[in-house]
Amino acid sequence: NAGVTQTPKFQVLKTGQSMTLQCAQDMNHNSMYWYRQDPGMGLRLIYYSASEGTTDKGEVPNGYNVSRLNKREFSLRLESAAPSQTSVYFCASSEGSEAFFGQGTRLTVV
Amino acid sequence: AQSVTQPDIHITVSEGASLELRCNYSYGATPYLFWYVQSPGQGLQLLLKYFSGDTLVQGIKGFEAEFKRSQSSFNLRKPSVHWSDAAEYFCATSTSGTYKYIFGTGTRLKVLA
Repeated sequence: NAGVTQTPKFQVLKTGQSMTLQCAQDMNHNSMYWYRQDPGMGLRLIYYSASEGTTDKGEVPNGYNVSRLNKREFSLRLESAAPSQTSVYFCASSEGSEAFFGQGTRLTVV
Repeated sequence: AQSVTQPDIHITVSEGASLELRCNYSYGATPYLFWYVQSPGQGLQLLLKYFSGDTLVQGIKGFEAEFKRSQSSFNLRKPSVHWSDAAEYFCATSTSGTYKYIFGTGTRLKVLA
């Protein structure tokens, strides 16, 4: 039972490069989320998708785009990476009010 | 606006000692409240949750939390800490009918042998 799977686990980007973080869940959940985790700031919501076909901005959406490809998959794209986007990114899914988290993607932008 | 405050950034306890991690929330109605634990390099694991009903909730790994509306608190407790409990703990809230979770800034627990 995989739960929420994120790829890649680690990534180093140069400033200005683009990349897509992938997330897939096998729990048939309707809602999916992307958070970033920074020291001393907890987890902050970047984007979320309440259901397939819908996406909405969270607390810190600038510099990111998302795609809810289907019910299982929710990707996060950095079009032009900046050092301020160095962080650990977590994908989560939920049905109801309990969220299940992936293992995270540690992204460094140099 | 909804918010969650964890006033303690770091806490150190001796193995076998009791533990209480503080969490205060700000919201007019009764929120949904959660405690998550994050071990180093890992994702977040749900310890326990409160939606309604009995204000003392039991979770996994011997943890419990008590919802106190009068104090806007949802503190996490464990009677006897084990070395494996060393981790970062996050309090979080959401509201019924929404899909957004608000997290506190976390409390890092260190356990002394």
